[in-house]
This record gives sequence, structure tokens and C-alpha cells, in this order.
Amino acid sequence: RKEVEQDPGPFNVPEGATVAFNCTYSNSASQSFFWYRQDCRKEPKLLMSVYSSGNEDGRFTAQLNRASQYISLLIRDSKLSDSATYLCVAAGGGGSYIPTFGRGTSLIVHP
Amino acid sequence: GAGVSQTPSNKVTEKGKYVELRCDPISGHTALYWYRQSLGQGPEFLIYFQGTGAADDSGLPNDRFFAVRPEGSVSTLKIQRTERGDSAVYLCASSLLGTNNEQFFGPGTRLTVL
Repeated sequence: RKEVEQDPGPFNVPEGATVAFNCTYSNSASQSFFWYRQDCRKEPKLLMSVYSSGNEDGRFTAQLNRASQYISLLIRDSKLSDSATYLCVAAGGGGSYIPTFGRGTSLIVHP
Repeated sequence: GAGVSQTPSNKVTEKGKYVELRCDPISGHTALYWYRQSLGQGPEFLIYFQGTGAADDSGLPNDRFFAVRPEGSVSTLKIQRTERGDSAVYLCASSLLGTNNEQFFGPGTRLTVL
């Protein structure tokens, strides 16, 4: 069982739609959580960190549920430029330094 | 300022050969990571350096893989006796302190073993 699991998709949505991704992690000691965005044949780039209280950055909202060990990402008013793969990361905790990436969720926003 | 750079961007080699992949992290970043990524998968952790020392090398798949960071900046990932299964994109990332910080990735080296 992978330590960080994501639905690979693809999620195919029209412009303007709201779309949500979930990610589950198995290491209950994980301390830090992130969403990265990866465009095709490019390197991952940080989209946002995920805090226990939840956080919002423009059209993007991230939430953490420690009890159920999942992280979510909500994208409102989707743009064509949001089309990418979204990688969930759980890091640290329990003496481990290893950041563990999920396999990514593919989002395709169409006109 | 300059981001993380990796060379070469592409490397094609034959099975059994030795390859070296280089990573130049962001200046001042003490933490450096190597990952490999296959198509349709997320980055798979290989090794993590804090300064010059390998803090965690548990992701290295076998003893054909080795990495160094002798002066705490540039790192080299070395693969001996390459196999076709080693073909992947090898990503390097650096962060200011450690795993709780944002990682900045390089563009990767696409390794193809024929």
C-alpha cells in the first residue's frame, strides 16, 4: 500500500467549474503537508502548504483532516491554465525525513 | 536568483554503463534531495542530504546507486552498471532547511538506458 494515495483521474471539467481532490496518507506521524503542481514534462512546483486550520490562496483552498488522515484541495472557478497534475506530499514525523509524494491527480480544464 | 540546475538534461546510455548526474542547488540551501519519476507516477524519494552528509539514503534501490555532496552544495548521483529499468527522470530538489520547508526542484535529467 502506498503511503500517500491519490486518485490519478483525469478529472475533466469545464472552465468555471469547482473541482476537489482528496489525498490520504498512512503515516500518522507526518508533520508537514503540501500540494505541488506539475505541468507536462516539467518539474513540480509548490502550489501551497497545508495547515491544520486550513488555508486559502485565491481560488485554491487546502484542508487537512488529521483524524481521518486526508488532505484536500479545492479549486474554484477553474481556468484552462489550471490543467496540470496535482501532487500531494506528506513529510516528516516519526524520525523520518522522507517527503512522500502521491502519484498525482491529473486535471484537464476544457473550454 | 538562480534556481536548481541539473545536468545533463538528457542522457542516453547503454545497459551496463556508468552514469553521473549532477545537481546544483539554490545557494544557501542546506537540504538536498534526489528523486526519480517514472511516467504516470509521483517523484520517488532516493536520498536526502543535510549539508555534506546523507541524512537518509533509504530510497536508493540497490548498491548500484550512490550519491555524494562533498562540499555541501553540488551533488552527484552515480549509477553503476545501468539497467533498462533505471530509465526515468531524475529530479533534484533543495530546500532552505529540511523536509518541513518548500522544496525547489530542478528541471530533471531524463535518463534512457538502451
